[in-house]
Amino acid sequence: AQSVTQLGSHVSVSEGALVLLRCNYSSSVPPYLFWYVQYPNQGLQLLLKYTSAATLVKGINGFEAEFKKSETSFHLTKPSAHMSDAAEYFCAVRFSGANSKLTFGKGITLSVRP
Amino acid sequence: NAGVTQTPKFQVLKTGQSMTLQCAQDMNHEYMSWYRQDPGMGLRLIHYSVGAGITDQGEVPNGYNVSRSTTEDFPLRLLSAAPSQTSVYFCASSYSAAEKLFFGSGTQLSVL
Repeated sequence: AQSVTQLGSHVSVSEGALVLLRCNYSSSVPPYLFWYVQYPNQGLQLLLKYTSAATLVKGINGFEAEFKKSETSFHLTKPSAHMSDAAEYFCAVRFSGANSKLTFGKGITLSVRP
Repeated sequence: NAGVTQTPKFQVLKTGQSMTLQCAQDMNHEYMSWYRQDPGMGLRLIHYSVGAGITDQGEVPNGYNVSRSTTEDFPLRLLSAAPSQTSVYFCASSYSAAEKLFFGSGTQLSVL
């Protein structure tokens, strides 16, 4: 079955440390892949998306993600965390032939320690 | 630009009551969708539409109805509210499902 998995529900890093948020999908055909961020009491906004043009995708606020077909992964990274990065992050996937549905992972809460 | 407008922002219902959550977008988007967000569950798709007159079910459609009579509007109807429908509801739209979703600010619904 086609699915999207975000391991863990909470990640805590120190300010200035590397941020790594994991996302894996299960599909035989590479899907469209997205990362969204939700700040407290707000709706979601797009960080970046993969649409097969390039495997390394750069997004807003210094985030980037690398599509690895062999690992069926699309992990989100940022070299140096900032306090303002504290939020909930969602990986989302649109599978080929899935009638246009966009499926979200369960989300990961990122905390940044001073 | 107004973007995606959801009303109301907050609502309290009693079990068995019905209500409609409103969603309107002014970006001429073909694709519109409704999600519910619950702690530890992420966002789950309730219903979606790829254009006026076309709707389809998502992961958790039971207890909800939708219609899409115009490109701009995509209301979500709760037929007979249940406590399990207590959640935060988000409407979202985009040019297509492969494009960036624009989200409304959400409706916090409590069913007592």
